[in-house]
Amino acid sequence: GAVVSQHPSWVICKSGTSVKIECRSLDFQATTMFWYRQFPKQSLMLMATSNEGSKATYEQGVEKDKFLINHASLTLSTLTVTSAHPEDSSFYICSARDYRGDQPQHFGDGTRLSIL
Amino acid sequence: AQTVTQSQPEMSVQEAETVTLSCTYDTSENNYYLFWYKQPPSRQMILVIRQEAYKQQNATENRFSVNFQKAAKSFSLKISDSQLGDTAMYFCAFISYDMRFGAGTRLTVKP
Repeated sequence: GAVVSQHPSWVICKSGTSVKIECRSLDFQATTMFWYRQFPKQSLMLMATSNEGSKATYEQGVEKDKFLINHASLTLSTLTVTSAHPEDSSFYICSARDYRGDQPQHFGDGTRLSIL
Repeated sequence: AQTVTQSQPEMSVQEAETVTLSCTYDTSENNYYLFWYKQPPSRQMILVIRQEAYKQQNATENRFSVNFQKAAKSFSLKISDSQLGDTAMYFCAFISYDMRFGAGTRLTVKP
């Protein structure tokens, strides 16, 4: 079964609103989570690395004030797209680092964000 | 910085035939993992196969196998007996601390 739960799977909202996406590790503690963005027919681009209890590390070109990341517990990271605009419409995927075994990273099923 | 390169944007193969997808990477790390992920239209990331850099033996998972050449920093995926359900985007990925993806190869299996 799924070890990382991402919610919501699809959201449509008006321009100017803020949208929160949650990423939960279900059966392990994830001290590190990652947020990716994927445009149609393109690859996953790392946006930021989320570390529990500390500030997120953003990739070059990613606006930290636009994409707020909070990793307040060992099982939950949230990405908030603030004052969303149509150009923020995309597919967002989270993943959680797993140091337990052979599979070092588990992915959520993604969130399709559409800004009208 | 780690980079992953997939030089084949699209490939096609006849059902039951064999196809090889290419991937090269660049890193200064010595300990890392390499992966192939499949992404169907649902956009779910499905792990196909993984390879630990310290293992010399090439990984195999049923019809999927890799050719891992560490010195050449090459990590190709071979799909044998291709099936219609193999049609998808395939991403090569590298992880040491964070995970980086190649641009992807769109594979179409033709009946």
